[in-house]
Amino acid sequence: DAGVIQSPRHEVTEMGQEVTLRCKLISGHNSLFWYRQTMMRGLELLIYFNNNVPIDDSGMPEDRFSAKMPNASFSTLKIQPSEPRDSAVYFCASSLSPANTGELFFGEGSRLTVL
Amino acid sequence: AQSVTQLGSHVSVSEGALVLLRCNYSSSVPPYLFWYVQYPNQGLQLLLKYTSAATLVKGINGFEAEFKKSETSFHLTKPSAHMSDAAEYFCAVSYSGNTPLVFGKGTRLSVIA
Repeated sequence: DAGVIQSPRHEVTEMGQEVTLRCKLISGHNSLFWYRQTMMRGLELLIYFNNNVPIDDSGMPEDRFSAKMPNASFSTLKIQPSEPRDSAVYFCASSLSPANTGELFFGEGSRLTVL
Repeated sequence: AQSVTQLGSHVSVSEGALVLLRCNYSSSVPPYLFWYVQYPNQGLQLLLKYTSAATLVKGINGFEAEFKKSETSFHLTKPSAHMSDAAEYFCAVSYSGNTPLVFGKGTRLSVIA
C-alpha cells in the first residue's frame, strides 16, 4: 500500500502566484480531507469530501481557496492568488468511512512558503 | 461545538520516566476519541482510538489511554519514555456519524537522555 501521496513536498512562491497542491488517496478509500497546519492555529480542517462530493467547506479561509476531486482517487487544493499568510503545511488525509469511527491516513504534507 | 483541550503545549521527560499527555473533551455525549503522533516532517499517524468498546485502550509503541467519562478526559500514558517517542501528539474527537475529526492544538514531547 503506497499510502496517501502528496505533491509537491515543498513549494516556495511569490505573493500573487497560483499554487496547486495535489493528493492521491489510498485505493478504496472514499473520504478525503484537507487540513492546514500552522504554529499559531494548529491543525485546521479546510474541506472534506465523501464519495467525491464536497460535504463541508466551511473551513476554507476565503474565496481564494478551492478544492476539487475530479475522480475517486485524486484531489487538488488551489490557492489563487496566494498571500504570505497562506504559508503553512497542508495535509491531505483519506479514510474508508466518515472519520468519526475510521482511522485517518495522512500524507506527508506540502510545505508552502509564500514570499 | 465539539472540541478537545490539550493541557501543555510542551512536555519534557527524562528517558525511562512516565509519559503523561493530557486531553479533555467537551460534551456530555459519548465521543469517539483518538490520539495521533506526528514525527518531524511527517504526517500524522494513529496511535490509538476509543470507540466505546473498552475504557482502557492500548495503542502502538507501548502507549495507552483511559477514557474517563466523569472527568471528560482521555489522557495518554506510557510507563517508560524512549528517545524515539519525541514527537508532537494530537488528541482528536468526533461525536456523530458524519462529522470529521476535530484536533487539539498538540503537545510536543521532548525526551531527555
